[in-house]
Amino acid sequence: AQSVSQHNHHVILSEAASLELGCNYSYGGTVNLFWYVQYPGQHLQLLLKYFSGDPLVKGIKGFEAEFIKSKFSFNLRKPSVQWSDTAEYFCAESRPGGSYIPTFGRGTSLIVHP
Amino acid sequence: DGGITQSPKYLFRKEGQNVTLSCEQNLNHDAMYWYRQDPGQGLRLIYYSQIVNDFQKGDIAEGYSVSREKKESFPLTVTSAQKNPTAFYLCASSKQGYGYTFGSGTRLTVV
Repeated sequence: AQSVSQHNHHVILSEAASLELGCNYSYGGTVNLFWYVQYPGQHLQLLLKYFSGDPLVKGIKGFEAEFIKSKFSFNLRKPSVQWSDTAEYFCAESRPGGSYIPTFGRGTSLIVHP
Repeated sequence: DGGITQSPKYLFRKEGQNVTLSCEQNLNHDAMYWYRQDPGQGLRLIYYSQIVNDFQKGDIAEGYSVSREKKESFPLTVTSAQKNPTAFYLCASSKQGYGYTFGSGTRLTVV
């Protein structure tokens, strides 16, 4: 069974709109959480990560994510998107103390209209 | 600059042929991974290796093989047993799971 779920497969927004992409994981123990972005024709890049500490994580390019343990969620947010944010976004989890193998969600395709 | 190099960028395979995708890293990372990316299915793990001379099957290992003779290198062979090999293949590495660095990928097409 998929241990990382991304509920929005395709999102279309206009520039300056706010963004929230959902990510839920199923593992009940300690997890490391990541958001990666893949711009068209490019490789995956790390946006942000959560290991421990402050559950509100700030990443690059104005993105942030909030770890809510009670909801098994790690949603990605950006207050105002730009056309250049058009990309595919992947949530991932790995389990410290074990093999650290990252498991990815199916991805969310974001299109931002200028 | 440190990073992961995947080659070739594009690869065409004839039916019944084995092909090998290269992945090299100079990050001194212990762990390396191969993923397959298909539209709408995200990244699926093919094989991973946490140390030299050791590797483990991932979720979709059938029809693939790997080797890890050097820390820097983790080549993936797509064998003729893989029934649907056309996909985008991504190699990644990490040091104890503290973030993963990805290569730019190889797009394999069966002709």
